[in-house]
Amino acid sequence: DAGVIQSPRHEVTEMGQEVTLRCKPISGHDYLFWYRQTMMRGLELLIYFNNNVPIDDSGMPEDRFSAKMPNASFSTLKIQPSEPRDSAVYFCASSSRMTGDQPQHFGDGTRLSIL
Amino acid sequence: SQQGEEDPQALSIQEGENATMNCSYKTSINNLQWYRQNSGRGLVHLILIRSNEREKHSGRLRVTLDTSKKSSSLLITASRAADTASYFCVPGGGTYKYIFGTGTRLKVLA
Repeated sequence: DAGVIQSPRHEVTEMGQEVTLRCKPISGHDYLFWYRQTMMRGLELLIYFNNNVPIDDSGMPEDRFSAKMPNASFSTLKIQPSEPRDSAVYFCASSSRMTGDQPQHFGDGTRLSIL
Repeated sequence: SQQGEEDPQALSIQEGENATMNCSYKTSINNLQWYRQNSGRGLVHLILIRSNEREKHSGRLRVTLDTSKKSSSLLITASRAADTASYFCVPGGGTYKYIFGTGTRLKVLA
């Protein structure tokens, strides 16, 4: 089975530009998570969805960040306008069932550099 | 949700040796998971141990859990260069909001 698929793998853009990161979760998984990883702050949960509905977005750093999940097989994380401090690796993960003991399956991330 | 604290922060060993890393947490849990992250890749789930289990094995991995001490350890036996990675523990309390710590960076020298 295919794992979590993220695109693009790398993105370099200038500050002020809009950035859209994409994620395709594992088929049949009800939960989708967006994380950000930096050297300074480690891995931070930004937002997660259950059955396409955002459940907890308390980790979204600012209004410049938004996430959507229009259907069960696709999610986007958008940054508009982007700033150099948004440079990080962004991971998407998915998981099944409601119990809190299910492993999260991660994509290989999008390495974002804002110049 | 709570964050686990991995110790040591970094560990270097020779290929073939065993690697042990530890995890501590603060409040009671239902389970504890260990993940691995190779350089440039996403995290990979390794093993889950439930609060009523004391030890669990998976291949070359051995995980122990001591709920009285609120600690867990991950032992990798006969380490290989491919085990070079960061390792994270995630104490689970029945919520999907996992909080990852800073991990243990393991380097296996050939």
